[in-house]
Amino acid sequence: GAGVSQTPSNKVTEKGKYVELRCDPISGHTALYWYRQSLGQGPEFLIYFQGTGAADDSGLPNDRFFAVRPEGSVSTLKIQRTERGDSAVYLCASSIGQGSEQFFGPGTRLTVL
Amino acid sequence: AQKITQTQPGMFVQEKEAVTLDCTYDTSDPSYGLFWYKQPSSGEMIFLIYQGSYDQQNATEGRYSLNFQKARKSANLVISASQLGDSAMYFCAMRFTGGGNKLTFGTGTQLKVEL
Repeated sequence: GAGVSQTPSNKVTEKGKYVELRCDPISGHTALYWYRQSLGQGPEFLIYFQGTGAADDSGLPNDRFFAVRPEGSVSTLKIQRTERGDSAVYLCASSIGQGSEQFFGPGTRLTVL
Repeated sequence: AQKITQTQPGMFVQEKEAVTLDCTYDTSDPSYGLFWYKQPSSGEMIFLIYQGSYDQQNATEGRYSLNFQKARKSANLVISASQLGDSAMYFCAMRFTGGGNKLTFGTGTQLKVEL
């Protein structure tokens, strides 16, 4: 597709469950970013990939959060033992290279009951 | 620490009028980039305009312009000839050279364009 896509668009889960959120970046974009946006706030950085490797994971809140990008394209954000405080919109962005404009996807709204 | 401040939680403007959305920042890094994004109710972040800290002229993109005042550490967004479709949340963001490639966002301003 032309833009960044994210699936699912909505995810409802129960406290303690495991979830995976998927991001498909713009074709050819080597850099991929994950952000989390809580209600009424701006997005907060989670992790940044350059190619297959995580270049900066300083925003991951704790070790329940993990992300991969095994082939340098699609990325999956994984959250273990979800908590109600994890409820937010998870945004993915990609850019053609480091330092370039970031294009965002529509986000995945995660609700932890 | 680097910080972005948007002091206007909500703004109203009449259609066809111009509106200024405020953004101030705090950084000791001499090299940085400033961005404005629009987020409609659909949730997607739409890039509007970019200003580099070393750019001599204020950035412009169609009806959007960035009033960059480096000494005051402000980067206000000006939208001219407002349209109903401009109603959305607007976020100011920065990329700091010392902070890698991540964007740091402000809390946003909700703009409502009225007839």
